[in-house]
Amino acid sequence: EAGVAQSPRYKIIEKRQSVAFWCNPISGHATLYWYQQILGQGPKLLIQFQNNGVVDDSQLPKDRFSAERLKGVDSTLKIQPAKLEDSAVYLCASSLGLRGGGTEAFFGQGTRLTVV
Amino acid sequence: AQRVTQPEKLLSVFKGAPVELKCNYSYSGSPELFWYVQYSRQRLQLLLRHISRESIKGFTADLNKGETSFHLKKPFAQEEDSAMYYCALSRPQGGSEKLVFGKGTKLTVNP
Repeated sequence: EAGVAQSPRYKIIEKRQSVAFWCNPISGHATLYWYQQILGQGPKLLIQFQNNGVVDDSQLPKDRFSAERLKGVDSTLKIQPAKLEDSAVYLCASSLGLRGGGTEAFFGQGTRLTVV
Repeated sequence: AQRVTQPEKLLSVFKGAPVELKCNYSYSGSPELFWYVQYSRQRLQLLLRHISRESIKGFTADLNKGETSFHLKKPFAQEEDSAMYYCALSRPQGGSEKLVFGKGTKLTVNP
């Protein structure tokens, strides 16, 4: 089966500019996650969708970050305006979201964002 | 709130030596625990999960609810085991499963 697709792979922007990342999860996966991974740290959950509804966005900096998952399939994550500390790899993952065998998360390759 | 702690940021062993990567968690309910691995220039992927109770690439991990630990072990490390290892916890939230990661341990197996 096709894996989780993310684009772009790399992005360099200046601070205060805007950027958007796109994710296409595995077909049939109800749960979609966006993680931020700063160099040397573990993935930090930004937002989690169940179909097209938000399950958890407690760690999403809502003054500058936004995400949507229209129609419960693809998702976009936007940063506006970007700050230097947003430099990180943004990972998208998806899973069936079912306890007892359907909780494995499949990850995309990630988008490496550099803010200069 | 749930939390996953990996106390060692770096771990270096020689080929053939035993290896143990530590993971402790805090969560009052019944979590599912996982180990994910990221090899150089590859995407993050599942290594094993506690409910499967299986050995993958010679690695095993036992959930100890009393000590709230889920340490990853391998009796004889191989050079190809060098990678970043992340312990993760999944718990129910909003009809889905919230997945939280530790900060990771970088394992280096020297020849």
